[in-house]
This record gives sequence, structure tokens and C-alpha cells, in this order.
Amino acid sequence: EPEVTQTPSHQVTQMGQEVILRCVPISNHLYFYWYRQILGQKVEFLVSFYNNEISEKSEIFDDQFSVERPDGSNFTLKIRSTKLEDSAMYFCASSNQWVDSEPQHFGDGTRLSIL
Amino acid sequence: ELKVEQNPLFLSMQEGKNYTIYCNYSTTSDRLYWYRQDPGKSLESLFVLLSNGAVKQEGRLMASLDTKARLSTLHITAAVHDLSATYFCAVDPAGAGGTSYGKLTFGQGTILTVHP
Repeated sequence: EPEVTQTPSHQVTQMGQEVILRCVPISNHLYFYWYRQILGQKVEFLVSFYNNEISEKSEIFDDQFSVERPDGSNFTLKIRSTKLEDSAMYFCASSNQWVDSEPQHFGDGTRLSIL
Repeated sequence: ELKVEQNPLFLSMQEGKNYTIYCNYSTTSDRLYWYRQDPGKSLESLFVLLSNGAVKQEGRLMASLDTKARLSTLHITAAVHDLSATYFCAVDPAGAGGTSYGKLTFGQGTILTVHP
């Protein structure tokens, strides 16, 4: 079964450094998302992306965050200058929303630890 | 702002027992999802509920949606240890006030532990 893949599985970064999280969505999906989950808390929406542009973003997704689809397969989340509070699990998801019954499919996540 | 509340947040069950997890949400929506998460793992889709009165069943789990009451339930029948996980409901406010599809708002999650 096709799946969303994310790399790396764990990223440790010094505060203030830039980090790029990578995702390969399911190949025929057109909608892409990033979510985060701080340890022990609920999953929070960050951003949705369709047709090479951001469809919607949350208050969390400030100027330090950006997303890109640099080629036909990858979808990346960049955090420009990381803060301690950016430590979380980041999940990429994709969906084919032309199919009503289709859920968002999530990757295994990247655990980001800011020191 | 859409609020999604689950209860209970912690559920300790004995094997063989039945129980229900509730998911209330605060705004109009006709799309609700249930996901399962094992510790340290990703979110696995369980059910997609798209209309009022929708009922879906898979094994020992059954989910329903009442859009008028803004309530979804996840019913567990004759629990087994393998069902131990965290269960999230997530609401897509699609169509309400022109919001685009896909911005899921999750509940806090229900940590289910099934004991022998």
C-alpha cells in the first residue's frame, strides 16, 4: 500500500539553526499538509498546500516557517531560526480530496529536538 | 475557532468489556475522522464519517456521526489488549464559512488501556 515517507526520523538541532524536514507524499495525491504534536499533546495543524501554493495556515505557522515542493515528489517544511518551543513531532500528510471518502494519510513523523 | 473535545481522556478497560468514546465539536461540519496512534508512531486512519447518521464498523470498533448534535462516538465492543492505543477524532470544518477542506482540528485524544 502506498505510504507517506518522512526523513529524517529524528533531528537534533541547536537553537537558532535552520532545519528542513522532508516528506514524500503518496504519488497521486494533490493536497499536502504539515502538522505537529508536542509531546503528550494533541495534533495541531500547521499548513496545507495545493497547486504549488499555501491553501491555509495556522497561527503557529509564522514567518519562521516555510513550505516548498521543490520537485515532483518532495514536500519540505523549513524552520528558519529554531526555538526551544519548536521541539515536537512533525507529521506530513497527503490526501486525494477529489475522493470524498479519502482520509489524510500521515507519515511516521520527524521528531525534532531543539537544544 | 473550532473546538473539538473528547471524553474521556483516559480509559482503562478490562478485556471483554464495552465502552464509548465521545467527540464533541463546536461548529458545523460534515466531515469527521477517527485515527489511532500507537506510542511513538504515526496516525492510522480508522474511519471517515461524511454525513449525518453515518455509521461505520470495523472489527470491534464502530463509529457514528450526529451532525445536528455535533457529536461523534467511537464504540468499543468486547475490548482486547491489541486495542490499547490513543484514539483521536478530527474535524474538518469544510464548507462552513468558506473554509477550505483539509484543515483538521484534532481532539485531545483518548488514551485507551485494555487490561487482561
